[in-house]
Amino acid sequence: DVKVTQSSRYLVKRTGEKVFLECVQDMDHENMFWYRQDPGLGLRLIYFSYDVKMKEKGDIPEGYSVSREKKERFSLILESASTNQTSMYLCASSWGGRDTGELFFGEGSRLTVL
Amino acid sequence: GQNIDQPTEMTATEGAIVQINCTYQTSGFNGLFWYQQHAGEAPTFLSYNVLDGLEEKGRFSSFLSRSKGYSYLLLKELQMKDSASYLCAVKDSNYQLIWGAGTKLIIKP
Repeated sequence: DVKVTQSSRYLVKRTGEKVFLECVQDMDHENMFWYRQDPGLGLRLIYFSYDVKMKEKGDIPEGYSVSREKKERFSLILESASTNQTSMYLCASSWGGRDTGELFFGEGSRLTVL
Repeated sequence: GQNIDQPTEMTATEGAIVQINCTYQTSGFNGLFWYQQHAGEAPTFLSYNVLDGLEEKGRFSSFLSRSKGYSYLLLKELQMKDSASYLCAVKDSNYQLIWGAGTKLIIKP
């Protein structure tokens, strides 16, 4: 079974803190994605990566950065957390290329910024 | 702009049938996904349609009409464990996924 593991299920941070969210997948997928999920809204893409060292901006990249140094790991970084970044963050992976197939999601990381 | 519309919430009875609709307006179309998400859990893949017609998979079926920009997910013989949110997502001409806000399905005994 494909497994996508997110490092923290729940985090509470203070405004201005740096936040790292880590995601690891064990199926050798080329593609990895970071989404945020907020009530009443569809999943919104923050960043994605089609290969190691590659990254592309999604729909809402402002205030976020990512790192993909190894194929299996995709990290989301909030350089200076703000209250409007309080959200559920979902990592996903899939087989390669732009014409992505089924996405496999992690359990999510619920971040609260005070 | 690109838009995916789904009902916010639906209620159905255990053992019955429910149809969850999804209409979309996107720049191009390269496929439509349905995912199930139980509260507090990860979304999991249910179905993928790229051609018109009905795809059946056990108790769940998904239908697509590209000319109408419309899909539905049909759930038969509803069980309590089907209580979840159902997410519709369309792959646009740039192969980007556009997501609906999801439909929360409540099953009553």
